[in-house]
Amino acid sequence: QKEVEQDPGPLSVPEGAIVSLNCTYSNSAFQYFMWYRQYSRKGPELLMYTYSSGNKEDGRFTAQVDKSSKYISLFIRDSQPSDSATYLCLSYILTGGGNTLPFGTGTQLKVEL
Amino acid sequence: NAGVTQTPKFQVLKTGQSMTLQCAQDMNHEYMSWYRQDPGMGLRLIHYSVGAGITDQGEVPNGYNVSRSTTEDFPLRLLSAAPSQTSVYFCASSYKREYPGRQETQYFGPGTRLLVL
Repeated sequence: QKEVEQDPGPLSVPEGAIVSLNCTYSNSAFQYFMWYRQYSRKGPELLMYTYSSGNKEDGRFTAQVDKSSKYISLFIRDSQPSDSATYLCLSYILTGGGNTLPFGTGTQLKVEL
Repeated sequence: NAGVTQTPKFQVLKTGQSMTLQCAQDMNHEYMSWYRQDPGMGLRLIHYSVGAGITDQGEVPNGYNVSRSTTEDFPLRLLSAAPSQTSVYFCASSYKREYPGRQETQYFGPGTRLLVL
């Protein structure tokens, strides 16, 4: 079982829709939660970063962490065609050694005109 | 800042050939990693390095070698290419994950698409 599970999609929505992307994780000790966005034929880039539980908002994007259910969500309001990409979630413990960061498999999102 | 650069962008190999994928970063990051990305499998860690002269294995290290002689460079060597190594390879770098509150953002290169026939 992967440490982070994510529905691969693809998810197709009309422009302007609210999008909900979700991940579950297995290690209750995870403290840090990230969402990366990956456009086609490009490397992933950091989109949102949260520590512990709660919500974090950045423009049209909201990252939500529910540690009691080990659930991570990314909401996109007023979705645009430029949001079409694969979204990868990531969660881990902060340690001084090693760099084994469990990424989810990614959810492919397509926002259609 | 060029960030993380990777060469080549695309490569075709025959089974049994060897090659080196190059990765360089100019952000003075301690950590560097190599991932492969396959459909349905997500990003899987091949090898990583926490500093010059120090490397370790990730989730899928077989068939690959790495070395880290400088902070900037982290080449990935395919010893004897196999069709199962057909994939997109990403190099990433980040600061050391030691200090709470410091963002441990990984910066990814543009990727190398490898086809092994």
